[in-house]
Amino acid sequence: GENVEQHPSTLSVQEGDSAVIKCTYSDSASNYFPWYKQELGKGPQLIIDIRSNVGEKKDQRIAVTLNKTAKHFSLHITETQPEDSAVYFCAALYSGNTPLVFGKGTRLSVIA
Amino acid sequence: DAGVIQSPRHEVTEMGQEVTLRCKPISGHNSLFWYRQTMMRGLELLIYFNNNVPIDDSGMPEDRFSAKMPNASFSTLKIQPSEPRDSAVYFCASSPTGERTEAFFGQGTRLTVV
Repeated sequence: GENVEQHPSTLSVQEGDSAVIKCTYSDSASNYFPWYKQELGKGPQLIIDIRSNVGEKKDQRIAVTLNKTAKHFSLHITETQPEDSAVYFCAALYSGNTPLVFGKGTRLSVIA
Repeated sequence: DAGVIQSPRHEVTEMGQEVTLRCKPISGHNSLFWYRQTMMRGLELLIYFNNNVPIDDSGMPEDRFSAKMPNASFSTLKIQPSEPRDSAVYFCASSPTGERTEAFFGQGTRLTVV
């Protein structure tokens, strides 16, 4: 089955700096890669996703890149703000109706 | 839509007691997932349903765990008897079928077994 590895497990950055979180997946048939943000006491919420027919996607300060050949994808947050502090999860999906396989999460701390 | 609704938000119970967690998925969503979150293991899939039918329960840790989905708007996860190592946050998520594959999570139930 699919296996998703996520690094780093913790990340601290100064406010205004960029943060990068990387994930690798094992199943080359996976075709959907979402990123979730989990704030304290809440469930994970989707912040951005990318499909395998796209190499990069951007939404304001957040961008995701996908390298299908290497089977890895990354989340980039620019101009970080304290409210970006949270746990971020990457995930991979083989097809609709099957469950997402999650990475272990990255705890991001943005220091003001 | 109110999103995925889970109850209770917090549950504290004594070892050996039965615990029932409840989930109401988003109306119209055909898939429902139960996840367990711990510091050590992250988000683990326990079981998922498509159109109310259990598809894969290989993530259920032991026979003490069971899940049902009697209709499209309700699911339960039961632990009987509960043990301290079951303490975790349990999430329910639902997703539509077809092109959209985003999973929407509930707020979770924090279970503490003492």
